[in-house]
Amino acid sequence: QITLKESGPTLVKPTQTLTLTCTFSGFSLTTRGVGVGWIRQPPGKALEWLALLYWDGDKRYSPSLKSRLSITKDTSRNQVVLTMITMDPVDAGTYFCAHIVGGGNSGYFDYWGQGTLVTVSS
Amino acid sequence: DIVMTQSPDSLAVSLGERATINCKSSQSVLYSSNNKNYLAWYQQKPGQPPKLLIYWASSRESGVPDRFGGSGSGTDFTLTISSLQADDVAVYYCQQYYNTPWTFGQGTKVEIK
Repeated sequence: QITLKESGPTLVKPTQTLTLTCTFSGFSLTTRGVGVGWIRQPPGKALEWLALLYWDGDKRYSPSLKSRLSITKDTSRNQVVLTMITMDPVDAGTYFCAHIVGGGNSGYFDYWGQGTLVTVSS
Repeated sequence: DIVMTQSPDSLAVSLGERATINCKSSQSVLYSSNNKNYLAWYQQKPGQPPKLLIYWASSRESGVPDRFGGSGSGTDFTLTISSLQADDVAVYYCQQYYNTPWTFGQGTKVEIK
């Protein structure tokens, strides 16, 4: 049974760095074809893909946010960490992590965490 | 970036009637080497994460009722709910995973008429 759970601060100040952790179970990030992605959703708005990390270390970022994002993994802890620098109020919203399957370093999100709501305010 | 455009933005359908949501990509998401369309559909209810309904444009995820069906190829896709149930009230998103950045449509809100 695959589960994912996001954790991190609920409130960050403008210009600060956001660090979110995705802790997962039921799969290994060393398994061929598997990945973990991050997606966010501003209140009342659509989903926006941010970044992903594959089993072989391949990392991809949203071009519009690439300079601010970093995604890493801790295989021994079954965690994927997303870091976003220079937070702004427009970055507020719910951040989801999700399991990727499909093979060939592409795929779709078949399992999602419940999401964590981040507010950006001084 | 591949832009995904859904239509309509919202629709109201009577219980038991058919609901049809369209999704158009700004470029083809059909990979010729394997003849697969890199297109997924998700359902999102208020306060919940998205739920995968359809992948590879027409493959239904395990456990998803067979009233949900996906069709289309290339740049034009459709999600059909053959007989709308009260539990289907939600926002539906299409997403391409043909290349990064992966992109979602703006969402279609489905309500009961």
